[in-house]
Amino acid sequence: DAGVTQSPTHLIKTRGQQVTLRCSPKSGHDTVSWYQQALGQGPQFIFQYYEEEERQRGNFPDRFSGHQFPNYSSELNVNALLLGDSALYLCASSLERGSRYNEQFFGPGTRLTVL
Amino acid sequence: GESVGLHLPTLSVQEGDNSIINCAYSNSASDYFIWYKQESGKGPQFIIDIRSNMDKRQGQRVTVLLNKTVKHLSLQIAATQPGDSAVYFCAEGRAMDSNYQLIWGAGTKLIIKP
Repeated sequence: DAGVTQSPTHLIKTRGQQVTLRCSPKSGHDTVSWYQQALGQGPQFIFQYYEEEERQRGNFPDRFSGHQFPNYSSELNVNALLLGDSALYLCASSLERGSRYNEQFFGPGTRLTVL
Repeated sequence: GESVGLHLPTLSVQEGDNSIINCAYSNSASDYFIWYKQESGKGPQFIIDIRSNMDKRQGQRVTVLLNKTVKHLSLQIAATQPGDSAVYFCAEGRAMDSNYQLIWGAGTKLIIKP
């Protein structure tokens, strides 16, 4: 049973560029959440996708966008990269059970460095 | 502003001793709390959770205590092992802008001394 997988593991971009990160949820999960984790800090919620739609969003600008595909995998896109976007980007999957919080399983993350 | 925070950024514990990691929260509307463990190079891993209608919950070698009066949460790890070395995060769940979100603290690094 595969867990949450993310690609790529590391990525280096320059300011102003655009980046796409990918996530495959744990088998049987239908909900994907994305987090940004700066060095030495806790993860910050970016957004959550369910049924191919953005269901919740944290305090992130519109430069951050996403997509969920029919197979429940997801992409995170960041446009016009800033130095401050350098971070570990975590994907977490869960199964929607109708409760306020469903246990999330995290992938290993993608380390993005913006130069 | 309102936040979830930790008292100590680093905690060193002798192998075999018990570890206690503390967390303070400021929003009394939070009704769900989770402890995560993050090892180097990995994503966070769920350890244990507790709802606000409880004050104690036990798992395998771990216990979470919730004191709503002083808005304090703690994680106790019994007989600490080298594999417990990691950064530990507490997170609180609360309704925000018609959504329900997890707010994470900054983390405490647990170091095990041989």
